[in-house]
Amino acid sequence: AQRVTQPEKLLSVFKGAPVELKCNYSYSGSPELFWYVQYSRQRLQLLLRHISRESIKGFTADLNKGETSFHLKKPFAQEEDSAMYYCALMTNAGKSTFGDGTTLTVKP
Amino acid sequence: NAGVMQNPRHLVRRRGQEARLRCSPMKGHSHVYWYRQLPEEGLKFMVYLQKENIIDESGMPKERFSAEFPKEGPSILRIQQVVRGDSAAYFCASSPGVTATGELFFGEGSRLTVL
Repeated sequence: AQRVTQPEKLLSVFKGAPVELKCNYSYSGSPELFWYVQYSRQRLQLLLRHISRESIKGFTADLNKGETSFHLKKPFAQEEDSAMYYCALMTNAGKSTFGDGTTLTVKP
Repeated sequence: NAGVMQNPRHLVRRRGQEARLRCSPMKGHSHVYWYRQLPEEGLKFMVYLQKENIIDESGMPKERFSAEFPKEGPSILRIQQVVRGDSAAYFCASSPGVTATGELFFGEGSRLTVL
């Protein structure tokens, strides 16, 4: 069975500081990993996926198979980044597992 | 292409009543997922359905909860004899199938309040 762990339920940083949201996973196969974001009063939406290897809104995430991690990073946090972030794993059978989420607060 | 539509957006029920939540996936999507978000908690997987089939219901409570995705019409999450602990936001997501992208498209959620 797959599992996604986000060890930090709450994370608070000051504007301009670097931020890293941790995500660890366990899955015996080859997973697809995603970060989803939920801004206040908005629907959950995809932020980025590991296969794209892209940077969205300044965020990047690198899949580290050795450490089974997919941490989300941004060098300079902005107040508008305050949101709830979910790490998610999708198997090739279409099963999805989300972490418990991390609420990021960026203080001015 | 309209996004994932969920209704009702807000539902109030008294203990013991039934709650029915509906989800219309995006056009062309044949896979639907239901998640529950309890107050101050994260998103918890409930059930994964394809048209007329339940693929994975490992996250569904054993009693009172059921889900369907008929050939025609929306997917429905049904909660019988609701209790206060069922108060939560219920989110639906859809995807076109098992694809390389794997992206899920979410609805805005249905917020159930049990009095």
